Amino acid sequence: DVKVTQSSRYLVKRTGEKVFLECVQDMDHENMFWYRQDPGLGLRLIYFSYDVKMKEKGDIPEGYSVSREKKERFSLILESASTNQTSMYLCASSPVDRDDSPLHFGNGTRLTVT
Amino acid sequence: QKEVEQNSGPLSVPEGAIASLNCTYSDRVSQSFFWYRQYSGKSPELIMSIYSNGDKEDGRFTAQLNKASQYVSLLIRDSQPSDSATYLCAVIRVDSSYKLIFGSGTRLLVRP
Repeated sequence: DVKVTQSSRYLVKRTGEKVFLECVQDMDHENMFWYRQDPGLGLRLIYFSYDVKMKEKGDIPEGYSVSREKKERFSLILESASTNQTSMYLCASSPVDRDDSPLHFGNGTRLTVT
Repeated sequence: QKEVEQNSGPLSVPEGAIASLNCTYSDRVSQSFFWYRQYSGKSPELIMSIYSNGDKEDGRFTAQLNKASQYVSLLIRDSQPSDSATYLCAVIRVDSSYKLIFGSGTRLLVRP
């Protein structure tokens, strides 16, 4: 079974702090994604990566950056946390571009910025 | 206009009834469509995918796709209380090789 592990289930940070959300997958998937999920807005793509050291912006990249130094690890960085970044963050992975490959999600990190 | 639109619900059906969940999308050239189920406090999990016009059945679930009308639906037959969850419609955006765009989800409640 594919396992996508997010380092923290709950996180509370202060405004202005630099925040790192870590995600590790164990199935050698090429693709990795970061989404945030907010009530009424669904899942919105922040960043994704198709390969090591490769990243592309999703629909809402402002205020975020990512790092993919190793294939299995994809980190989301909030450079200076703000209260509007309070959300559920979901990491996902999938194998190479295939329409029939489902995304495998981690358990999510609920981030609160105070 | 949102790329993928769903009625937020909740959709309430009695146990044993057919639940019908609908989704419309704006990109006419989209080819791949998915339904994910998300229980409260949990991550989404894939339950159906559909790529061609018509129906696709898997157990109690049937996905229906109509590309001309740009809608995709999910029917759940013999609904059970354990089907109570939020159902997310997702579409691959055509301008990238794999960028999955989600609707905001429909909450389904199955009453015992």
